[in-house]
Amino acid sequence: KAGVTQTPRYLIKTRGQQVTLSCSPISGHRSVSWYQQTPGQGLQFLFEYFSETQRNKGNFPGRFSGRQFSNSRSEMNVSTLELGDSALYLCASSLYPGDEQYFGPGTRLTVT
Amino acid sequence: QKEVEQDPGPLSVPEGAIVSLNCTYSNSAFQYFMWYRQYSRKGPELLMYTYSSGNKEDGRFTAQVDKSSKYISLFIRDSQPSDSATYLCAMSDGANSKLTFGKGITLSVRP
Repeated sequence: KAGVTQTPRYLIKTRGQQVTLSCSPISGHRSVSWYQQTPGQGLQFLFEYFSETQRNKGNFPGRFSGRQFSNSRSEMNVSTLELGDSALYLCASSLYPGDEQYFGPGTRLTVT
Repeated sequence: QKEVEQDPGPLSVPEGAIVSLNCTYSNSAFQYFMWYRQYSRKGPELLMYTYSSGNKEDGRFTAQVDKSSKYISLFIRDSQPSDSATYLCAMSDGANSKLTFGKGITLSVRP
């Protein structure tokens, strides 16, 4: 069974631009969560989607948003990029909310 | 006080050593406990998933949970150079998918 896939794997953007990251969960998994990983803050929860609905949101500004499609695939969007948004963005999927989560390889975003 | 505290490391041990990795937490709502391993430039890989106090063994890995002391541990027996990675503890209340992570500890196993 294929694991969680994320595209693109690497991205370089300029301050003020916006970016969209994509995540395809493990087949059959219906819950998708997003995390930001930085050397200073570690892994921090961004948001969780299940059945196309955001169930939970972490402590991030409104510039960070996401959505989930009917096939459980998910996207996250960051608008008006700041230098501090440079990070590894990780997507994790589980069968249902609260179940074991499996992570994708991440998208490394660099903001210049 | 952070919700989850993890020994900062780094940690370097000789091949074959027993490794003990630890995390403490302050949130009594946490009921599910995980250990992830992350190699450089990769996503975290789930190693252990537990939800009760006590020990859970999987090959060379043993996860230990003590809810009364709010303390979890991961033991690695007969450590191998391939175990060299960053180890992250994570916890949740089980009601949703939000995981709260420790900062991670980098382990190096010397041949």
